[in-house]
Amino acid sequence: EAGVVQSPRYKIIEKKQPVAFWCNPISGHNTLYWYRQNLGQGPELLIRYENEEAVDDSQLPKDRFSAERLKGVDSTLKIQPAELGDSAVYLCASSLQIFPRQTYEQYFGPGTRLTVT
Amino acid sequence: QQPVQSPQAVILREGEDAVINCSSSKALYSVHWYRQKHGEAPVFLMILLKGGEQKGHEKISASFNEKKQQSSLYLTASQLSYSGTYFCGTEVDNYGQNFVFGPGTRLSVLP
Repeated sequence: EAGVVQSPRYKIIEKKQPVAFWCNPISGHNTLYWYRQNLGQGPELLIRYENEEAVDDSQLPKDRFSAERLKGVDSTLKIQPAELGDSAVYLCASSLQIFPRQTYEQYFGPGTRLTVT
Repeated sequence: QQPVQSPQAVILREGEDAVINCSSSKALYSVHWYRQKHGEAPVFLMILLKGGEQKGHEKISASFNEKKQQSSLYLTASQLSYSGTYFCGTEVDNYGQNFVFGPGTRLSVLP
């Protein structure tokens, strides 16, 4: 079974430039998460999708960040314009939630390491 | 609100035991445990649910004290492969809202 796929693995951009990250979850997983992880810290949830619906985006900086999950499968996270403080690893995770909901393990992709100069 | 983990870091020799704690100021529905090795993605270890039993596999087990909103991860007879950063993640309900990871505990197992 293929795991969560993310691309690119590394990205270096100048501040004020746009950047996009792509994630393909494990086949059949209906829930998709985007996290940001700064060095030495725990992952911080940015947005959670159940199928194509964003059900928790309270931590997403909406002035510059956007995300979409068309057709409830793969997802794209965009930053425009990027700031120096956006340098971090962006992790995508997926899980299979069976309703009525309990809680299930998340499977993480390898992440995209973003450096903003 | 982010859970608190303790200790921040621990160094062990192979074969020694360790306990990592996770606590929250909020009533919890579940606690997740993940391990992340340097430069890699977090890997799921186990979930503990409110009202559930203590979980475990091999030499890694965990407990959940609902009254104290605390969970502990027990690493018995540690191996070199146990090195990494351990994160707890907490949920306050079964709707998936407010899932928050702790700051992590860095574990180093030396030969």
